[in-house]
Amino acid sequence: GESVGLHLPTLSVQEGDNSIINCAYSNSASDYFIWYKQESGKGPQFIIDIRSNMDKRQGQRVTVLLNKTVKHLSLQIAATQPGDSAVYFCAETRTGGGNKLTFGTGTQLKVEL
Amino acid sequence: EAGVAQSPRYKIIEKRQSVAFWCNPISGHATLYWYQQILGQGPKLLIQFQNNGVVDDSQLPKDRFSAERLKGVDSTLKIQPAKLEDSAVYLCASSFLQGSTEAFFGQGTRLTVV
Repeated sequence: GESVGLHLPTLSVQEGDNSIINCAYSNSASDYFIWYKQESGKGPQFIIDIRSNMDKRQGQRVTVLLNKTVKHLSLQIAATQPGDSAVYFCAETRTGGGNKLTFGTGTQLKVEL
Repeated sequence: EAGVAQSPRYKIIEKRQSVAFWCNPISGHATLYWYQQILGQGPKLLIQFQNNGVVDDSQLPKDRFSAERLKGVDSTLKIQPAKLEDSAVYLCASSFLQGSTEAFFGQGTRLTVV
């Protein structure tokens, strides 16, 4: 079965608001957790990753938080823009698993003007 | 830098027919992945190559799917015979290093089996 899963299938936010996309995982052996963005008709695109021994990592307008106690991962997008509309996937890699990149189900983010 | 190239972009076939997809990864990328993405789901890894060797093919339905990367560059994924449930987008991705968190994806091939 999947080792990562998302809480909500669809998230709607107003333009300019902050977005929070959540993900639960079950495998404590993951080395990295990663967020990918997939726009309609395109392949997934890397956004940001976080090593499993970290709690927080920031990028440009994005922050990823990792709570190992409850096995929860979140992606925060600041000042959400229409171009952020896409499906967001959390994924994980695991050295013991041959370093394969495993994806969860996805959350559709809709930005309302 | 050119991205991952895939062809064809779309393919419609009848069940029990065969089909092949082609992928040209980013130059210099040793790791190549094939994923199957069914509508509404996340990509599912079918096979992972490191150069021309298979690293993982545990989720590849080997009775009907095959993949090769003979010279460690281009790759082909074949389905023979196709089933209705094979309708999906087939994504190819590559990364510079095995275990890299950043994989670069092509646009995919949308397969419809009727």
